[in-house]
Amino acid sequence: AQKVTQAQTEISVVEKEDVTLDCVYETRDTTYYLFWYKQPPSGELVFLIRRNSFDEQNEISGRYSWNFQKSTSSFNFTITASQVVDSAVYFCAPLRPGSARQLTFGSGTQLTVLP
Amino acid sequence: DTEVTQTPKHLVMGMTNKKSLKCEQHMGHRAMYWYKQKAKKPPELMFVYSYEKLSINESVPSRFSPECPNSSLLNLHLHALQPEDSALYLCASSPRQGPNQPQHFGDGTRLSIL
Repeated sequence: AQKVTQAQTEISVVEKEDVTLDCVYETRDTTYYLFWYKQPPSGELVFLIRRNSFDEQNEISGRYSWNFQKSTSSFNFTITASQVVDSAVYFCAPLRPGSARQLTFGSGTQLTVLP
Repeated sequence: DTEVTQTPKHLVMGMTNKKSLKCEQHMGHRAMYWYKQKAKKPPELMFVYSYEKLSINESVPSRFSPECPNSSLLNLHLHALQPEDSALYLCASSPRQGPNQPQHFGDGTRLSIL
């Protein structure tokens, strides 16, 4: 069965610190997709990144970077030089297997960036 | 501002009331979704519409009735809800229903059942 673990329930950092959010997944699929979403206090979920299982290149987008490692089934997310506006809940979401192939969100990590 | 608009933003209703949640997008997306999110929990999928037809119903109780009148609109009709149905209801859309389609979410409707 497909499963995702975000072991860090809550993280607090001081502004300008770097922070890494962990995501470990389990899947029997050979082809799969992984997503990260951000949910600020306002409630909407914001798409951050999509990664497919064939592309193991790390990706950087501004202060955000992602480290995808199939060998350890991890898809970790790092924010460099964190800012107060980064405070949000971050969800890792692998695609559920089977014909439905819908998002199944992890439990989320609440990130608080203190000024 | 999000490109998926949900109304109302807040709704308080009694258990005998009938109300509807509305979701609208004008991005030309042909897949639309309803999620339910309880406090401090991840969103849970309820329904998926693809090309205006119900594609997935995640065994949702019949007191929730979805409707997709056209490609831009998605409604969720509510009737005889229970207090445990109080939650944030999120609508999302994607270009198509598929494994590599990122979903665009609205701000949600915060529903409270008295």
